[in-house]
This record gives sequence, structure tokens and C-alpha cells, in this order.
Amino acid sequence: DSGVTQTPKHLITATGQRVTLRCSPRSGDLSVYWYQQSLDQGLQFLIHYYNGEERAKGNILERFSAQQFPDLHSELNLSSLELGDSALYFCASSGGWRGSDTQYFGPGTRLTVL
Amino acid sequence: AQSVTQPDIHITVSEGASLELRCNYSYGATPYLFWYVQSPGQGLQLLLKYFSGDTLVQGIKGFEAEFKRSQSSFNLRKPSVHWSDAAEYFCAVGSYDKVIFGPGTSLSVIP
Repeated sequence: DSGVTQTPKHLITATGQRVTLRCSPRSGDLSVYWYQQSLDQGLQFLIHYYNGEERAKGNILERFSAQQFPDLHSELNLSSLELGDSALYFCASSGGWRGSDTQYFGPGTRLTVL
Repeated sequence: AQSVTQPDIHITVSEGASLELRCNYSYGATPYLFWYVQSPGQGLQLLLKYFSGDTLVQGIKGFEAEFKRSQSSFNLRKPSVHWSDAAEYFCAVGSYDKVIFGPGTSLSVIP
């Protein structure tokens, strides 16, 4: 158990809909990272928040957005969903913001868009 | 731009045999290098990491990796594979404020 929690575990929705994925980092960690894992794209870095501020952006679509709240939990919002958005979404947390920090991964949320 | 390649998409080894998973990176400065493992249905777990110093790094579960700057490689090794090592293995390179993961190598272990 990494100490990172993600809800829900599974999500099934229809095209065009909007969903919110939630992540609670390990106690004391200030950074939250979001990743998308799919068979054809592999593990893609989406976005990184540190202590409530956006720190780095990766291959995140404009239909996707994220935020980190004062209690440090984070939410990833996916809108106007398409079939291709079906994937496993991971969040990870770390104590600092540097690329040298070990990231601790949650169990993931499996999103299925029908 | 930084990037990570893992030339082997899938590897099959017999239990008890040795293992080497290849990783090559592209990065201008001295990189932070990681190996993570993902068991089926689970998130990623750190096996080991390299920042500086001794180029041979020991990790958990009996794994080790060697950093070779001249070859831009960070290969993962284990002398004797166990059936429970069957999983997906990701090499990653960290820069200033983010980490880029390779495509992964899937390991199957034959009893």
C-alpha cells in the first residue's frame, strides 16, 4: 500500500459526458502527478501540482483539467469524453517538486467510455 | 528533449534464470534515473533510483541497475528470476521538475 488513494476504482460512462477523478496523496506529500496509461500510448504524464500550484504540464488535452485543493487532494476533470479517453488514470505523490523525488503511485482509476 | 526507450516490448525467461532489461535515455544533463515495476492490476512501485555516485545501484526484491553514461543506458538486472517477478517494468528519467517514463517491458516467467 503506497498511501495514495484514488476514487473511484472503476468508472463507466458515455461519450460526451464529464467525469471527475479524485486523488489523495500520502500524508505530508505536497506534489500530485496525474498520468494516463493506455495500450497504445503507454504511460503519459498529464500534469503536476505542487502545494496547490500547477508545476508542470505534459500531454494534457484541453478537455482535461485538474486542480489541487488546500487539503492537498487533487481532482482530474475530463469533459466531452471520447472513446479514446478510455484508459487507466494514475495519480502519484511525492514530498517535493523535483524530478529527483520518488513518486508513490495510487492503484488507478479505470475509465471506460462507451 | 528528454526521452526514454526500452527496446524490448516483451521478454520471457525461465524461473531461476538471469534477467536484464534494457533502458536507454536521452537527456542533456546528468539525469535522475528510475526503475518502476507494475504488477497486474496495481500501480507502479519504485524498484531503485540513481542520482549520482556509485554507478551500480541496488534496489528492492534483489534487483540492481548499472548506469553507463557513455552508452546512455541504465539496464536493470536480476541474477535469478522468481515467478512473482512477472510484471511490467518501466524505466524513467527525471529532469528539473518532471519524470518521463519509457514504454515499458512486459516480463513473463516460465515455471
